[in-house]
Amino acid sequence: AQKITQTQPGMFVQEKEAVTLDCTYDTSDPSYGLFWYKQPSSGEMIFLIYQGSYDQQNATEGRYSLNFQKARKSANLVISASQLGDSAMYFCAMRDAGGTSYGKLTFGQGTILTVHP
Amino acid sequence: EAQVTQNPRYLITVTGKKLTVTCSQNMNHEYMSWYRQDPGLGLRQIYYSMNVEVTDKGDVPEGYKVSRKEKRNFPLILESPSPNQTSLYFCASSLEGAPNEKLFFGSGTQLSVL
Repeated sequence: AQKITQTQPGMFVQEKEAVTLDCTYDTSDPSYGLFWYKQPSSGEMIFLIYQGSYDQQNATEGRYSLNFQKARKSANLVISASQLGDSAMYFCAMRDAGGTSYGKLTFGQGTILTVHP
Repeated sequence: EAQVTQNPRYLITVTGKKLTVTCSQNMNHEYMSWYRQDPGLGLRQIYYSMNVEVTDKGDVPEGYKVSRKEKRNFPLILESPSPNQTSLYFCASSLEGAPNEKLFFGSGTQLSVL
């Protein structure tokens, strides 16, 4: 069965500094995708970044990068040069191709990030 | 504009009064799903659909029904809502449901059951 764990309920960072949000996952399927979504206080879900299980390089999207350590089953999100607008809830999620869970996106519990000026 | 449209945005109802939350997408996606979001639990899948007339239970299907009669629509039905179904609900879609596809989310429906 799929499982995603985010162990940081809340994180604080100073504006312009970098921050890492932790995510570990568990799946028995070799083919899977890892996603990060941002949920600002307005409530919408905003896609940030994707990493495939067979990708050789870590994914990057602007100020977002994913530190993918396959052997450790971790997919941490790194936000560089934090901005006040980065204050939000962040969710790690996974999809795999295995059996009855095909198509399903499993989410972690979320991490609330607060950026201080 | 490519989007997933959910209605209503906010809904307050009473225990036992049947309600439907609508979801529609204009991207010709085959895969659609419903999630509920509760504090400390993240988003949990209620039901999903891989195509028209094909629906499957997610992690928390009890108390909910869905139907997929048309490709674009995937309504969520609460036949007899209870207070423990008070939550933020999201509809989402993707092209086929493959592991590399990101989900497109609706704007959410905040449901309160009194």
